[in-house]
This record gives sequence, structure tokens and C-alpha cells, in this order.
Amino acid sequence: RKEVEQDPGPFNVPEGATVAFNCTYSNSASQSFFWYRQDCRKEPKLLMSVYSSGNEDGRFTAQLNRASQYISLLIRDSKLSDSATYLCVVNPGGGYQKVTFGTGTKLQVIP
Amino acid sequence: DVKVTQSSRYLVKRTGEKVFLECVQDMDHENMFWYRQDPGLGLRLIYFSYDVKMKEKGDIPEGYSVSREKKERFSLILESASTNQTSMYLCASSLGPRNGYTFGSGTRLTVV
Repeated sequence: RKEVEQDPGPFNVPEGATVAFNCTYSNSASQSFFWYRQDCRKEPKLLMSVYSSGNEDGRFTAQLNRASQYISLLIRDSKLSDSATYLCVVNPGGGYQKVTFGTGTKLQVIP
Repeated sequence: DVKVTQSSRYLVKRTGEKVFLECVQDMDHENMFWYRQDPGLGLRLIYFSYDVKMKEKGDIPEGYSVSREKKERFSLILESASTNQTSMYLCASSLGPRNGYTFGSGTRLTVV
């Protein structure tokens, strides 16, 4: 099993839809979790951290499920500008060498 | 606005050349990183540094070296470029493991 796994997609959704992505991780001791957004041929940008209690920022909600070892990202009322690849990042602790990036889930919001 | 600046967006180099990729951050972060990103493989850590003159190997350090003479600057060196080093190179800095990374805009290197 890979350390961090994401469905590559693409997820094609109409404007205004709600879409959710999951990211599973294998190390149950993982401590920090993040979602990044990466536009085509650009650098990743931090979207939000994922806390044990969940985290909401406008239309975006991130959740952590430790029992099932996954994090999720929910996007409500999708906009065309949300089209991007969403990367999850898992830090199991023990040094930066162990930080693992997922390969990303591609989202395409359609007019 | 905080920034990580990479010196080149696109580079084309010949096999065997020595290549320098420069990265500067203005956030006074102690931690700096070099990643490469390839389709289907995600981001892979080459080297990182947690202080001036300190460096640690990442997942794929072979064929690379780094230099950190000043806190704000972290350089990646390809000692003898090879075609399998054609990739997108991303520099990042971080305040700490719970704070996430700020990335530079990347350097797309092609080795011919």
C-alpha cells in the first residue's frame, strides 16, 4: 500500500455542485495533514491545514478520520476557478524526510 | 506578500553540464527544501536544510548537491546533468512541520 493515495480523477462537475475528495494514508501515527491546490504548470499553494476537529474556510471543508486513516476535502458551490489539482500532504512526524505528497486529484468544473 | 523566488522559470541544459538552481525566501524561515515533480510520481524530496550550512538528504539525492551559505538562500546543484534529471524543480520554505510549505514558482529544467 502506498503511503498516501489519492484518486487521480479527473472529477468533472458542473458549476454549483458539491464535490469531495479523499486521501488515504498508511501511517497511523501521522500527525499533520494539509491540502494544497496546484494549477496547471504552477506551484502548489497551501489551501488549508486539516485539524482533528475539522477545518472550514468558506466553501472548503477539510476533515480527518483517524479511525479509517483518511482526510477529505469538500468543496461546496463549485466555481470555474476551482479547477485545479488538489494534493494532500501527510506528515507522520520524525523529520521532513517522511513528509509525503499525494499525486493529486484533478478537478474540472464545467460551465 | 511573502515570497519564495526561484531564479529561472525555464532552463535548457546539455548533458554533462553543471547546473545551478537558486532559491531565495524573504520569510526568515529556517527550513528550506528542494523537490522535483514528475507526472504520476508526485513531489519527491531531494534535499532540505534546517539551518545555514546544514543539509539533509531526502528521497532522491543522487546526482544532486546543495548549498546554504545564507539563511535566505538555498541552491541546488546538478553536478553533471543527465536526461533523467529533466523535471520541474520546486523550492519551498517552512516555519515548521505544522505550518505547511510556501513554494517558489518552479524551474522547468530540460536536459538534452
